[in-house]
Amino acid sequence: GENVEQHPSTLSVQEGDSAVIKCTYSDSASNYFPWYKQELGKGPQLIIDIRSNVGEKKDQRIAVTLNKTAKHFSLHITETQPEDSAVYFCAVPRTASKLTFGTGTRLQVTL
Amino acid sequence: DTAVSQTPKYLVTQMGNDKSIKCEQNLGHDTMYWYKQDSKKFLKIMFSYNNKELIINETVPNRFSPKSPDKAHLNLHINSLELGDSAVYFCASSQTPGAYNSPLHFGNGTRLTVT
Repeated sequence: GENVEQHPSTLSVQEGDSAVIKCTYSDSASNYFPWYKQELGKGPQLIIDIRSNVGEKKDQRIAVTLNKTAKHFSLHITETQPEDSAVYFCAVPRTASKLTFGTGTRLQVTL
Repeated sequence: DTAVSQTPKYLVTQMGNDKSIKCEQNLGHDTMYWYKQDSKKFLKIMFSYNNKELIINETVPNRFSPKSPDKAHLNLHINSLELGDSAVYFCASSQTPGAYNSPLHFGNGTRLTVT
């Protein structure tokens, strides 16, 4: 089955700095890579995703980069704000209908 | 509001009891899921239904029984609750079963505490 490693498990940055979270996967056939954000007391919410035919995708302050050769993809958040504080999960399809989630990264943006 | 809603938000019960969690989505999605999130935040799929039919059944004790009366509802019944069942249970839905083109929409979770 698909193994997904996510690092770091916790990340503290100052407001305005950038944050980077990395996920490594094992199945070279994987071709869809979403990122979910979970705020306190809520369910995860999709924030950005990328397919294997592109190397980078950007949406305002967040971006995802993909390195298929090395089998890793990363979430980049620039100009972090307090409302970015949350737990972030990467995910990789294990089958056509199942997602395997990473272990999560707790991001704390301090003033 | 369009959403995935689940009730109750909190559930505290004793070992051995039977309890149910309800989930409803008004997004018009065909597929619904139950996920379990443990104390370390690990998210694991338990079940998935597509148009009321079970399509995913992970290695979950048979004390857990999902029921989908229609494609907008997926309830989770748990018999003989154990301490290890304590977790946050999330209901989710997606337009289709395909992980590649159908984002998951999660409810806000039910925190189950078994004492």
